[in-house]
Amino acid sequence: EAEVAQSPRYKITEKSQAVAFWCDPISGHATLYWYRQILGQGPELLVQFQDESVVDDSQLPKDRFSAERLKGVDSTLKIQPAELGDSAMYLCASSPGTGYGYTFGSGTRLTVV
Amino acid sequence: GENVEQHPSTLSVQEGDSAVIKCTYSDSASNYFPWYKQELGKRPQLIIDIRSNVGEKKDQRIAVTLNKTAKHFSLHITETQPEDSAVYFCAASFSGAGSYQLTFGKGTKLSVIP
Repeated sequence: EAEVAQSPRYKITEKSQAVAFWCDPISGHATLYWYRQILGQGPELLVQFQDESVVDDSQLPKDRFSAERLKGVDSTLKIQPAELGDSAMYLCASSPGTGYGYTFGSGTRLTVV
Repeated sequence: GENVEQHPSTLSVQEGDSAVIKCTYSDSASNYFPWYKQELGKRPQLIIDIRSNVGEKKDQRIAVTLNKTAKHFSLHITETQPEDSAVYFCAASFSGAGSYQLTFGKGTKLSVIP
């Protein structure tokens, strides 16, 4: 079964430091999403890409978060500077198109100390 | 935008009993409703989905029903087993031209007691 690859699985960083997460979607999936999941809550969308273009980043805190998908394949999500409230699971997902469920990656659990 | 409410937040059932989780959505244009199961420390995994042109869908012990008029949909698990214990999330989206994204409920923690 095809999978969405994410790394690292776990990341501990000090507040005010920079941190980056990587995602490689299922081959052929044009749509890629980054979600943030706070413990005990549902995933919340941060950014959506269609190929290399951002479709929706309305919930992305742009003063500290950035995301890119330069060649329309893998993607990087960056936080700079990290804050204590950023501690969460960061999930990447991809979809073959409208009307299909997502396939999620295993996520990156970020702890900011 | 879409808003999805999910109830209950926690649910405990005896092994072999049925479990029902309910969700409501706000956007009448939403037409795709998946359910995800997330075990502790693992990724959410799609377990069943339903589209707005269908009222009910079954897959072995799992079924989903949709009431478009009332804008609610439900997950039914029969003959529950300990391995069904997990957090379940409902989601809703409009799948058409343009942006397609899922809005998730806050989740239901299901505990199946042996």
